[in-house]
Amino acid sequence: QSVLTQPPSVSGAPGQRVTISCSGSYSNIGAGYGVQWYQQIPGKGPKLLIFANKNRPSGVPDRFSGSTSGTSASLAISGLQAEDEADYYCQSFDRKLSVVVFGAGTKLTVL
Amino acid sequence: VQLVESGGGLVKPGRSLRLSCETSGFTFDNHAMHWVRQAPGKGLEWVSGISWNGGTLGYADSVKGRFIISRDNAANSLSLQMNSLRSEDTAVYFCAKHSQYYYDSSGYFDSWGQGTLVTVSS
Repeated sequence: QSVLTQPPSVSGAPGQRVTISCSGSYSNIGAGYGVQWYQQIPGKGPKLLIFANKNRPSGVPDRFSGSTSGTSASLAISGLQAEDEADYYCQSFDRKLSVVVFGAGTKLTVL
Repeated sequence: VQLVESGGGLVKPGRSLRLSCETSGFTFDNHAMHWVRQAPGKGLEWVSGISWNGGTLGYADSVKGRFIISRDNAANSLSLQMNSLRSEDTAVYFCAKHSQYYYDSSGYFDSWGQGTLVTVSS
């Protein structure tokens, strides 16, 4: 069982907006450790989408946005495109366990 | 930035394997480095991290006591010595560059390698 909890799957039609949640605790997200989001196309390495809760690396479209509240985080994807179909992972650090933690991943299907 | 893993392959349970990650395009000793793995059809699992100077290390409970992470700042390379391998260690192993000096700080993985497959089977 992952320390960070994500829904196994989400879906949306092209052009729609979807959100992916990531629930943690007071020893990781709630402790102020930043939340990152990664996109992974099957067969490829992960790609950083959001860092430090809400920041986008250069080259990542502003359709992707991140936020946090208390012990949870969310990734929102607006204007869904077929190319967004991928697996999405949240990540933080847990100070109690002293380990990097990932969510189990959410599969996004573009209908 | 380039991260290139090597050393994966098929190995029998209980045996050892050493993975390497050759890097270029950034100042290696300004960054912590990590290994992250992904079992077939599963999610990402953090394996181990090492701070910029090798002074602090961390391991997932699943590999603690069996795996050893190390780095050679002169050669810009990262290694993972995997001992007493088990079938559950079968995975693609990714080398990842951390944004901070210390592996246990609030940072992120801004570059990843393509991964190397380790299969543990008799």
